Amino acid sequence: EDQVTQSPEALRLQEGESSSLNCSYTVSGLRGLFWYRQDPGKGPEFLFTLYSAGEEKEKERLKATLTKKESFLHITAPKPEDSATYLCAVQSNTNAGKSTFGDGTTLTVKP
Amino acid sequence: NAGVTQTPKFRVLKTGQSMTLLCAQDMNHEYMYWYRQDPGMGLRLIHYSVGEGTTAKGEVPDGYNVSRLKKQNFLLGLESAAPSQTSVYFCASRGPEQYFGPGTRLTVT
Repeated sequence: EDQVTQSPEALRLQEGESSSLNCSYTVSGLRGLFWYRQDPGKGPEFLFTLYSAGEEKEKERLKATLTKKESFLHITAPKPEDSATYLCAVQSNTNAGKSTFGDGTTLTVKP
Repeated sequence: NAGVTQTPKFRVLKTGQSMTLLCAQDMNHEYMYWYRQDPGMGLRLIHYSVGEGTTAKGEVPDGYNVSRLKKQNFLLGLESAAPSQTSVYFCASRGPEQYFGPGTRLTVT
């Protein structure tokens, strides 16, 4: 059974204080690992897809990396508008139809 | 291009009542999904569909039924609502990327 564990559950940063969110996973053949951002009262918004170990993707202050066991979402010099819950999900080769989600990391950036 | 839309946005049901949640997507995606999200529990897959006329069970299918009669629509039904089904329901569709709807907040009293 595919599993995704995200840590920490909550993270509070000062504006400009860089940090990383962790997503550990076990999957029977990784088809893809996905990062989403979710604002309160809204649906998740797609950020990145990573397919293989060593791959990196960047978007503004966010950078996602992938190893064989975990993914990191690095946030460089965060701003208050980066405050949100960040979700990680995996898709396996054995069932490409569905994704397994972690419980998310809630990031709060104080000005 | 509206993406993924859900109706209704809010609903209050009494125990035992039935209802249908409608999801529509205009991106011609084959894959569609229904999730529920409860505080501290993340997204849990209820049912999904890999194409028109197909459906499959997810992690928490009990108490729900679905239909995918048209490619662009995915319906989620609750035949006899229970308080345990109080949740926020998200629909999603997937091409290369997965897109979510805005959610339906359902309360069962």
